Amino acid sequence: AQSVSQHNHHVILSEAASLELGCNYSYGGTVNLFWYVQYPGQHLQLLLKYFSGDPLVKGIKGFEAEFIKSKFSFNLRKPSVQWSDTAEYFCAGSIYNQGGKLIFGQGTELSVKP
Amino acid sequence: DTGVSQDPRHKITKRGQNVTFRCDPISEHNRLYWYRQTLGQGPEFLTYFQNEAQLEKSRLLSDRFSAERPKGSFSTLEIQRTEQGDSAMYLCASSLDSLEGGYTFGSGTRLTVV
Repeated sequence: AQSVSQHNHHVILSEAASLELGCNYSYGGTVNLFWYVQYPGQHLQLLLKYFSGDPLVKGIKGFEAEFIKSKFSFNLRKPSVQWSDTAEYFCAGSIYNQGGKLIFGQGTELSVKP
Repeated sequence: DTGVSQDPRHKITKRGQNVTFRCDPISEHNRLYWYRQTLGQGPEFLTYFQNEAQLEKSRLLSDRFSAERPKGSFSTLEIQRTEQGDSAMYLCASSLDSLEGGYTFGSGTRLTVV
């Protein structure tokens, strides 16, 4: 079955620390991959997406993610986090050309200490 | 209109009652999706429309759930004979066919069944 899994449920960092959130997917074919962020009390917002091409994609607010096909991974990274990055982060995937249904991971709660 | 609107934001209902939620997508988006999110979990796909056609329904969607998008614009999600297990956040999202720009989510309707 198609699935997306996120390794960390809760990550706690100090400001200026580097961030890497893991995401793995299980699809047989071509996939579109996304990272969404949900700030406290707000709706899901798109951070970045990968459809094809350069496997290193850059998103908003200094986030980036790398698609590694051989590892079925799409990890999210940020070199230096800020307190304002405290939020829940969701990885999601859809099978290319099959209706666009998104499958989400369980989410990772990030807490950044000032 | 710059986003996806959902109404109401909160709904408290007694077990056994029927409830209906509304979603107004971004006007240029012809795809519309419904998801359900419970605490500590990622959004779960329920159903999606391309224009007025309902193209896929999740097995999670029991017979008590029905969704419509009569004119290919707004959509409604109805839950009949609500149960306590239906308590969740119901999210609506919309997108272009090409998925350019990803999926835009609304703020959700929080349902509490008492």
